[in-house]
Amino acid sequence: AQKVTQAQTEISVVEKEDVTLDCVYETRDTTYYLFWYKQPPSGELVFLIRRNSFDEQNEISGRYSWNFQKSTSSFNFTITASQVVDSAVYFCVSASGGYNKLIFGAGTRLAVHP
Amino acid sequence: DAGVIQSPRHEVTEMGQEVTLRCKPISGHNSLFWYRQTMMRGLELLIYFNNNVPIDDSGMPEDRFSAKMPNASFSTLKIQPSEPRDSAVYFCASRLGLGGADEQFFGPGTRLTVL
Repeated sequence: AQKVTQAQTEISVVEKEDVTLDCVYETRDTTYYLFWYKQPPSGELVFLIRRNSFDEQNEISGRYSWNFQKSTSSFNFTITASQVVDSAVYFCVSASGGYNKLIFGAGTRLAVHP
Repeated sequence: DAGVIQSPRHEVTEMGQEVTLRCKPISGHNSLFWYRQTMMRGLELLIYFNNNVPIDDSGMPEDRFSAKMPNASFSTLKIQPSEPRDSAVYFCASRLGLGGADEQFFGPGTRLTVL
């Protein structure tokens, strides 16, 4: 069965610090997809990124970057120069069953303090 | 374009009452998903539809829960009778297709409190 582990329950940083959110996944599928979603205090779920199992290229989007390593089954997320607006719960997610079932990790609550 | 629309945003009801949650997916999306978020269990998929047809309802917790999608622009999740342990945030999400890797777009959620 698929499983996503986010070992960090809560992280607290001061603004402008870099922070990395860890994600380890388990799957028996050879083809799979991984995602990151953000849930700000307002409660909605916001899509951040999608990665498929064949593409191990790291990706950078502004202050956000993602490191996908199949060898360690990890899909880590780094925020550079964090800002207060980055405060949210971040979910690492995998997709199975024809990619329709999203398996959510428990989430990491990030608090960025001024 | 409007995103996924859910109503009501908040619902407070008493145990034993019927509760109906509503969802309007993004126009043109043909897959719709219902999720529940609780502190204990996190986010879990309840049921999903493709082209208005339920595909997998294995996540529906009990027979008290039912979901319908009478047309491409509307879905309901009903709980009858409701119980305090049903208190949670219920999210609806839609996606362009079934299968593939398109991301799911989530609605704002309905926060349900059953007293």
